[in-house]
Amino acid sequence: DTAVSQTPKYLVTQMGNDKSIKCEQNLGHDTMYWYKQDSKKFLKIMFSYNNKELIINETVPNRFSPKSPDKAHLNLHINSLELGDSAVYFCASSQLWGRAGELFFGEGSRLTVL
Amino acid sequence: TQLLEQSPQFLSIQEGENLTVYCNSSSVFSSLQWYRQEPGEGPVLLVTVVTGGEVKKLKRLTFQFGDARKDSSLHITAAQPGDTGLYLCAGAGKNGGSQGNLIFGKGTKLSVKP
Repeated sequence: DTAVSQTPKYLVTQMGNDKSIKCEQNLGHDTMYWYKQDSKKFLKIMFSYNNKELIINETVPNRFSPKSPDKAHLNLHINSLELGDSAVYFCASSQLWGRAGELFFGEGSRLTVL
Repeated sequence: TQLLEQSPQFLSIQEGENLTVYCNSSSVFSSLQWYRQEPGEGPVLLVTVVTGGEVKKLKRLTFQFGDARKDSSLHITAAQPGDTGLYLCAGAGKNGGSQGNLIFGKGTKLSVKP
C-alpha cells in the first residue's frame, strides 16, 4: 500500500497546454507539500498545505495553482506550460507542521514540455 | 547563493572503500536531516540530527551534526553497491525560524562500483 502516491508518473505535453498532477497520502498526515527537482537534482519547495490551508507559497509563477480538497489530497494544476517547467515534481507529506518531522515523498511525476 | 552546500557533488568509488560527504552552511539550523534518493524514486529519510555535536549511527553510516549546528557529515564505512544514490541534506528552522520549511542541499551523487 503506497503511502504517498502521485499520478501521472510521466507527462509529456506541448508548450501552452494546461496539465494537472494529483497526489494522495494515506498516512493520516496534516501537512502536504509540492517540491520541484530540476535537471541538476536541486529539490526546491513550491507549496505547503497544513490541514487544507496554504502555509508556504514560494516564488512560484501564478500559472501554478495547488488545490487541497481534503487533508489527504494535494493536487497541482499548471496553466500555459513553458519549456522551463520541465522537471520532476514531488509530492510529500509530514505528520505535523512546524516540527522537523520526516518527509514522506511520492515517486515523482516527470513533466516534459516540448 | 546556496544555503546548504554539499560536497563533493559527485563521488565514484570501489566497493569496500570508505567515504565522507559534507553539508555546510553559514546559517544555524534547529535540526538537519539526511535523505537518500535512488533513480526514479523520491528521497527517503535516513536520519535526523538535532543536537550540536550529535553522532548517530545507522549500520555502516555515521552521521554527525556540527557543534554550532551549521554543518553535518555522513561517513560510510566499507561502501557497497547498494549505497549508490543521491544523498541530500536538509536543514530545518534556519536561524531560529519555522521548522516547517525544509531547505535542501543540491546533493552528493555516489556511485559504488563492485
